[in-house]
This record gives sequence, C-alpha cells and structure tokens, in this order.
Amino acid sequence: KAGVTQTPRYLIKTRGQQVTLSCSPISGHRSVSWYQQTPGQGLQFLFEYFSETQRNKGNFPGRFSGRQFSNSRSEMNVSTLELGDSALYLCASSPGQRGDTQYFGPGTRLTVL
Amino acid sequence: GENVEQHPSTLSVQEGDSAVIKCTYSDSASNYFPWYKQELGKGPQLIIDIRSNVGEKKDQRIAVTLNKTAKHFSLHITETQPEDSAVYFCAASIVFGGSQGNLIFGKGTKLSVKP
Repeated sequence: KAGVTQTPRYLIKTRGQQVTLSCSPISGHRSVSWYQQTPGQGLQFLFEYFSETQRNKGNFPGRFSGRQFSNSRSEMNVSTLELGDSALYLCASSPGQRGDTQYFGPGTRLTVL
Repeated sequence: GENVEQHPSTLSVQEGDSAVIKCTYSDSASNYFPWYKQELGKGPQLIIDIRSNVGEKKDQRIAVTLNKTAKHFSLHITETQPEDSAVYFCAASIVFGGSQGNLIFGKGTKLSVKP
C-alpha cells in the first residue's frame, strides 16, 4: 500500500496570509490526525478527523481548522499566519478504531516570513 | 492533561553497544505507548509499541518495557548500527471508547551511533 502523502512538501508564506495543507491517508484508513512539530514545543496534537467529523481537538487557537472529505482525504487551514506558525505539519492516518497504530506522512514544512 | 518526559535528550554510543531511552508519563489512564524514529527530512516512523496489558515487547534488536506502577516505559536497542542514528520519540495515549486517542509526545532523543 502507498503511504501517507502530504502536499505541498514546502511552503513559504508571509504574515497575515492563510494556507491550506493536504493529506491523503493510506488506502482504507478512515482517521486522519494532524500534528505540529517545532524545535521548541516538539510534536503537538492539533486535531483528529474520522468519517468527516472532528473527533478530537488539541489546544490550538481557532485560526487552525481542518476538514475531512468522504474519501478520507483531509485538509488543514491556518488563517492569519503568524511567525510562530512556522513548523513542520504532520498528518497521521490509521484505520480509526480504538488504539490503532498511527502512520505518519513526510510532513509539510511551512515557513512564515 | 497528560505530560510525557523523555531522557536523555542526546545519546552517543559506539556501534555494537546498547542504547536505552526512558520516558515517564503523568496520567495513569494512559494505555498505549508507541515509539517513533524520525530521520532527517522524514516523518516519524513507528518502530515498536506496547499496550498497558503487556510488560515487555521485543522485535529483533528493539525492545520496550512498561512499568505501569511507576508510570515509565523504556526503549532498548541492542547491537546498535550507524543506521540507527536518528531522533527517537516516545508517546502516550489514552484510548477510550471508539476514539483513536491523540498522542502526547516526549521531546525526543537524538541518538548518534559512531562507527
């Protein structure tokens, strides 16, 4: 099976802009989780989607949002970008049942200037 | 909420030696503990995981132990090889009902294996 794919791999934006990142899960997986990775804060959970519904949410401001489509592909959006949003954004997919292993994609490197 | 602490932050060993990375967690309800390896420019890759009903799990040169009473778990890599060099992350999760449970990660350990 193909792994988790994320597009784009690299992105440069300026403060105040918005950005949309995309994640295609492993075929058959219904759960997609998003994480932010920075040198200072490490890996932090953003949110999880399952069957087009947000099932779990981390402690991030409302500028961070996401959605999931009927084919399980997911997008996350960050509005009004701040310098501190520069990070590697990772998505992870799993079948979606209790305690399933999460498989990570390569991430999207977002740089905010 | 859950907090995971990981030690050491850096670890340097000679090829062939063993490496041990330790993590502690705060929430006694945590019941799933995966370990991930992240190489430069890549996403984290699962290397081994353990659930709360098991005390130890082994996969070739890699083993994980869990002590629920003390709330800590450890990764053991034996006969290290240069290709083991990477950043290793531990994580803890509370799996309940039908939820996946979000992963709470440690800060990572940069392992360097010297030839």
